[in-house]
Amino acid sequence: DTAVSQTPKYLVTQMGNDKSIKCEQNLGHDTMYWYKQDSKKFLKIMFSYNNKELIINETVPNRFSPKSPDKAHLNLHINSLELGDSAVYFCASSSGQPLAKNIQYFGAGTRLSVL
Amino acid sequence: GDSVTQMEGPVTLSEEAFLTINCTYTATGYPSLFWYVQYPGEGLQLLLKATKADDKGSNKGFEATYRKETTSFHLEKGSVQVSDSAVYFCALSPSSGGSYIPTFGRGTSLIVHP
Repeated sequence: DTAVSQTPKYLVTQMGNDKSIKCEQNLGHDTMYWYKQDSKKFLKIMFSYNNKELIINETVPNRFSPKSPDKAHLNLHINSLELGDSAVYFCASSSGQPLAKNIQYFGAGTRLSVL
Repeated sequence: GDSVTQMEGPVTLSEEAFLTINCTYTATGYPSLFWYVQYPGEGLQLLLKATKADDKGSNKGFEATYRKETTSFHLEKGSVQVSDSAVYFCALSPSSGGSYIPTFGRGTSLIVHP
């Protein structure tokens, strides 16, 4: 029973298209995140939601729009895809509590390739 | 702001060699410190953690000690295996600030040859 699941695992699309990535967690966590990992494995946080409310929105183009219908789901919609959006996108969740309780649980990732 | 600095990789070792991956941090207060591991094609998963100075986290033969005086949390393993080949991330979780957003290092790739 996967704790954090995201779909699809692979996404290949053309420039200019719009696509969505879905994420669900069954850990009962209050906080969910989206990260972008580039080809050099650098991990950058994009968004963080706590109980369906946006708490962190790093410097991300407004073509990226997260949506949280409930605290177990955080989806990522991307408009007008560009070549530079090619990366692996990870969803994660945590209890949102401080210190050692803030362990991040990651999904398996969505590898996005924009052609 | 908070930051985590890891040694650049890749680190290439032969099986049964000793491993050290250096990690230093900058943070206010007393953060918790973590090592995550990412195996090929997978997401990150927690490897070990430490919550206060002089704490030692350990798991699967890996160890790291929270050194406040040197602001370090170096990862060690006495004898690596091919199956340890992965990318290792050092991270901290702040002790204050409200949002408790973690800060990750850039990752260190480990390649172990038979």
